[in-house]
Amino acid sequence: EADIYQTPRYLVIGTGKKITLECSQTMGHDKMYWYQQDPGMELHLIHYSYGVNSTEKGDLSSESTVSRIRTEHFPLTLESARPSHTSQYLCASSEYRTGGDTEAFFGQGTRLTVV
Amino acid sequence: AQTVTQSQPEMSVQEAETVTLSCTYDTSESNYYLFWYKQPPSRQMILVIRQEAYKQQNATENRFSVNFQKAAKSFSLKISDSQLGDTAMYFCAFMKHDGNQFYFGTGTSLTVIP
Repeated sequence: EADIYQTPRYLVIGTGKKITLECSQTMGHDKMYWYQQDPGMELHLIHYSYGVNSTEKGDLSSESTVSRIRTEHFPLTLESARPSHTSQYLCASSEYRTGGDTEAFFGQGTRLTVV
Repeated sequence: AQTVTQSQPEMSVQEAETVTLSCTYDTSESNYYLFWYKQPPSRQMILVIRQEAYKQQNATENRFSVNFQKAAKSFSLKISDSQLGDTAMYFCAFMKHDGNQFYFGTGTSLTVIP
């Protein structure tokens, strides 16, 4: 099992609330990613980071923000949650290694419902 | 830009039979990595199999094997002796050789029928 953890697993929150989804990995990976995924659907990259103090927006526009102060943590924050933010959020990390054993490791996801 | 296409949104297979999931991609890169990931219902996404573009030999992992056709930019996954636990969404993914960013297909939902 991968050493990447997301909390909470499930969250139901009211409109307008501020929330932070946590993601931590213990593998020392430089690269971390946030994907948004509706149930049974494709993954959309919303944020990524190549290391501490590096953050970039992904292909899908998102009202969320991220930070990368420490290698292990890559939290995602919604300043004011809306029903349109209801989705599953997947965190992943990877480390490029020569020799071919590169892969992305995924957390278990946070299923967010905004009511 | 890189794109990954999975043209089969849903597939089903009888238990113990063989099924092939299709994936095509578009890139101008000469060296890269291709992956198949499995996402069981309400479970964590895990790596099924990985292929390096510069390796001509098709990757295999137990019951899982790929048919990598570099010129055709095709990367299909064959699952032999299908088991009920193979029921999941399967995502094809591409990564450039520099290791930055994974590009995922839209997924294929596979159901193994007892």
